[in-house]
Amino acid sequence: QKEVEQNSGPLSVPEGAIASLNCTYSDRVSQSFFWYRQYSGKSPELIMSIYSNGDKEDGRFTAQLNKASQYVSLLIRDSQPSDSATYLCAPSRWEKLTFGTGTRLTIIP
Amino acid sequence: GAVVSQHPSRVICKSGTSVKIECRSLDFQATTMFWYRQFPKQSLMLMATSNEGSKATYEQGVEKDKFLINHASLTLSTLTVTSAHPEDSSFYICSATQGKETQYFGPGTRLLVL
Repeated sequence: QKEVEQNSGPLSVPEGAIASLNCTYSDRVSQSFFWYRQYSGKSPELIMSIYSNGDKEDGRFTAQLNKASQYVSLLIRDSQPSDSATYLCAPSRWEKLTFGTGTRLTIIP
Repeated sequence: GAVVSQHPSRVICKSGTSVKIECRSLDFQATTMFWYRQFPKQSLMLMATSNEGSKATYEQGVEKDKFLINHASLTLSTLTVTSAHPEDSSFYICSATQGKETQYFGPGTRLLVL
């Protein structure tokens, strides 16, 4: 079992729709969770962090965490073409991040 | 805030030479810096963790004598790839934290070893 599992995609979403990205993790010790966006050929940039069960909203982004199910998700509302990128889920344990392979998201104009 | 820079952004070298990559936190003091490597279409793999003034901690399978890390100050860490070979060609990315868990990434250095 991989430590962090994400659907590699590609996930195609029409412009203006909601994109839903999912992630499961195996390490129950992880307490903090991060979503990063990575454009092709670039380094990751932080989108959101979430530490507690439930939802956390920041602009068009909503992160959801369920520690009992070891599941974290990211919703992107009103998807824009500029949201087309690979989204990386990263649980943190003792300050170390473990990255999944990411989900490639394509927003279709 | 929380800007991290890397230099150089791209380097091409001959096999057997050494390459140094710098990572700087520009507007904060980084208690911890991390070095990652990413091969095409693969995930980021943590190579090592470094704290200012102490020896780096390397992940399993990473040769510490080949990948030398120096964290001389709270704003600068360097990674030296010694005796580079074509299989070391990769995208090297550093990140830094301010004492909390959030990591801010540098723009990365693309290394090509001929």
